Parts: sequence; structure tokens; C-alpha cells
Amino acid sequence: EPEVTQTPSHQVTQMGQEVILRCVPISNHLYFYWYRQILGQKVEFLVSFYNNEISEKSEIFDDQFSVERPDGSNFTLKIRSTKLEDSAMYFCASRPGTSGVYEQYFGPGTRLTVT
Amino acid sequence: GNSVTQMEGPVTLSEEAFLTINCTYTATGYPSLFWYVQYPGEGLQLLLKATKADDKGSNKGFEATYRKETTSFHLEKGSVQVSDSAVYFCALSEYTDKLIFGTGTRLQVFP
Repeated sequence: EPEVTQTPSHQVTQMGQEVILRCVPISNHLYFYWYRQILGQKVEFLVSFYNNEISEKSEIFDDQFSVERPDGSNFTLKIRSTKLEDSAMYFCASRPGTSGVYEQYFGPGTRLTVT
Repeated sequence: GNSVTQMEGPVTLSEEAFLTINCTYTATGYPSLFWYVQYPGEGLQLLLKATKADDKGSNKGFEATYRKETTSFHLEKGSVQVSDSAVYFCALSEYTDKLIFGTGTRLQVFP
């Protein structure tokens, strides 16, 4: 069964460094998302992406964040200058264009640790 | 704004016990409601959903009924198994496809 994959599973970086989290959505999906979960807190929406542009973003998704679909398969989240509070589990999700009610398929997550 | 509140875990049960995980929501209109499950080391998987009041979502023996009058979407299962041990997330979406999640409830089932 097709699935969303994410790499790396765990990323450790120093404060102020740039980090890129990578996702490979399911191949025929058209809508892409990033969410994050700080330890012990809720899963929070970051951004949605469709037709090569951002369709919605949250207050968390400030100028330090960017997303890109550099080719036909990858979907990346870049954090330009990481802060300690960016430490979280980051989930990528995707959905087809004609699925049921917003049924999103999630990857296993990347744990980002900023030291 | 919209929000989801779940009961805190962990919920610890013996195999074949009855499960209820409470979920209530706040929304301005008529959201769609979801339960997602996360097994260890895996991503979030959609377990069931309901799109309008009084709808019952069901899957793998789990059920949840969309109760507008109590703004609730409690997850139930009549007889849990060890393999049901996971973290369960209640979520909603309204007007856009952004999902708003609760904090998740860890379920531990012992033989």
C-alpha cells in the first residue's frame, strides 16, 4: 500500500542552523501539508500546499519557514535559523484531489531536536 | 477559534474491556470530525470520520457518533485487544482542509 515517507527520522541541529525536512508524498496526491507536535502538546497545522503554492498557513509558519516541491516527488520544509522552541515532531501529510472529506495520509514524522 | 479537547491518558485496560475516549470540540459551524490513530513508530492513520450531526463513523470495531447537542465525538470499542495499544487523536476540519487536533490519548491494553 502506498505511504508517505519522511527523512530523516531524527535530526539534531544547533540553534541558528538551517534544517531541511524531507517528505515523499503518495505519488498521485495533489495536496500537501506539514504539521508539528511539540512534546506533550497538540498536533498543530503549519502549512498546506497545492498547485505549487501555499494555500494556507498558520501563525507559526513565519518567515523562518518555507516549503518547496523541488521535483515531482519530494516536498520539503526548511527552517532557516532554528530556535530551541522548534524542537518537535514534524509530520508531513498528503491527500488526493478527489478523496473523501479531507482524508489526509500522514508520514511517520521527523523528530527535530535543536540544541 | 476552533479547538478539540480530549481526555488525558494514559488509558490502561485489560484485554476485552470496553473502551471510551472522550472528545469534545468547539467550532463556529458544522465541522467534519475525525479519529486518527498512531501506532508506535508509524504515522497518523485515519481511523474513522463523520461529516454531519448524528453520523456514526465506524472501523475495526471502533465507533464514534457526531453529537452536535453536546459537541462531542467520543470513541468507543466494545472489546479492546492488545493490538489496539496506540495513541488516539481526535480532530476536526471546518471550511478548509486544515486539521485541528486534540492532544492525543495513549491507550495501553494488557493481556
